[in-house]
Amino acid sequence: EAQVTQNPRYLITVTGKKLTVTCSQNMNHEYMSWYRQDPGLGLRQIYYSMNVEVTDKGDVPEGYKVSRKEKRNFPLILESPSPNQTSLYFCASSQTGGTYGYTFGSGTRLTVV
Amino acid sequence: AQTVTQSQPEMSVQEAETVTLSCTYDTSENNYYLFWYKQPPSRQMILVIRQEAYKQQNATENRFSVNFQKAAKSFSLKISDSQLGDTAMYFCAFITTSGTYKYIFGTGTRLKVLA
Repeated sequence: EAQVTQNPRYLITVTGKKLTVTCSQNMNHEYMSWYRQDPGLGLRQIYYSMNVEVTDKGDVPEGYKVSRKEKRNFPLILESPSPNQTSLYFCASSQTGGTYGYTFGSGTRLTVV
Repeated sequence: AQTVTQSQPEMSVQEAETVTLSCTYDTSENNYYLFWYKQPPSRQMILVIRQEAYKQQNATENRFSVNFQKAAKSFSLKISDSQLGDTAMYFCAFITTSGTYKYIFGTGTRLKVLA
């Protein structure tokens, strides 16, 4: 089954404790992206990657890191999480840069206390 | 700046009735694509319908159709014969083909279908 697999689904952590949210796709997509969803704000792009070893900032990159060492994986790293990073996170991928729509992961609900 | 506005935070509709969700957008680009995504309580994001800006014909997918008014920069979603399973948050989004291929999302409309 073609899918984007995101883990974990739920995560509660403490301020300052480094964490990684994993994202993997099995569709050989070149384009991958991370979004955060907050009430009243919709989805906002954190980082994106047009291909392996090519990543760039989205609208809200502060406090986040990503890497794209292989095509299928695009992990999101929070080096020192803070409470304002409490949010619902989505990984998404697309073959064509999104013009035919994204395939989204199932989301990660992150709470930073 | 490119923006998407969904002016209806919440809506409700009776089962089997028709409902229209509004969306307006702003961009100076000529080539772009418009989308409606559905997010049910499971929170999975599901593509409902897609419209290419250079096509005048409105897209349809079964009970879902759009009214695309390019000059007015309007892209509304019509759901016919509403079903309980249509209860969800609906996001309007667009993407341009220049630069980063970034999606711009609206803030969403929460739709509740009433039995």
